[in-house]
Amino acid sequence: DAKTTQPTSMDCAEGRAANLPCNHSTISGNEYVYWYRQIHSQGPQYIIHGLKNNETNEMASLIITEDRKSSTLILPHATLRDTAVYYCIVRTVEAAGNKLTFGGGTRVLVKP
Amino acid sequence: DAMVIQNPRYQVTQFGKPVTLSCSQTLNHNVMYWYQQKSSQAPKLLFHYYDKDFNNEADTPDNFQSRRPNTSFCFLDIRSPGLGDAAMYLCATSSGLRGINTEAFFGQGTRLTVV
Repeated sequence: DAKTTQPTSMDCAEGRAANLPCNHSTISGNEYVYWYRQIHSQGPQYIIHGLKNNETNEMASLIITEDRKSSTLILPHATLRDTAVYYCIVRTVEAAGNKLTFGGGTRVLVKP
Repeated sequence: DAMVIQNPRYQVTQFGKPVTLSCSQTLNHNVMYWYQQKSSQAPKLLFHYYDKDFNNEADTPDNFQSRRPNTSFCFLDIRSPGLGDAAMYLCATSSGLRGINTEAFFGQGTRLTVV
């Protein structure tokens, strides 16, 4: 799976949009971009994924650049409960099943 | 309702004493994963099952073994736990349909302490 690069940490004001960048310059054509988050002492939680089109769900929006070498996760109105580590993952389908390999992640702190 | 259940949430074991962690799922997913997460680190994949096919990561120590007796259950066996094996162990599942990218669902994890 392609490697991802994310900022180590970022702060965000409560009620404001949080924009989390991710670089995946070696992504290949059959690799999807996934975002997960992990709140302290819990298992990772799926947020959203996409291939090349922008995606939106009830949790977040995912913007993927046209060349697919980077993406941004947008939390439209951050709340204190959004404080977590956010992982950007590129994932391919392999013959043996779908592996999910985590990188370093971004530690997001939402402040009042 | 929890869909991926890990028991127990907290496990204390003695150095060198075999320990088994369990995971069950109600999703009928083909794929089950085991991850190890040490403090302040990202989860690290140990191995995964696609149905009954076992797939070990190249750098997973032989001390870690796994069993999947049926679709719903998967076990992580640590044959001789060392102090360095203290970590959160996470189980996850995904539908694993070939050619289809689907999300993975994680359990709450088992925090293992080795004394």
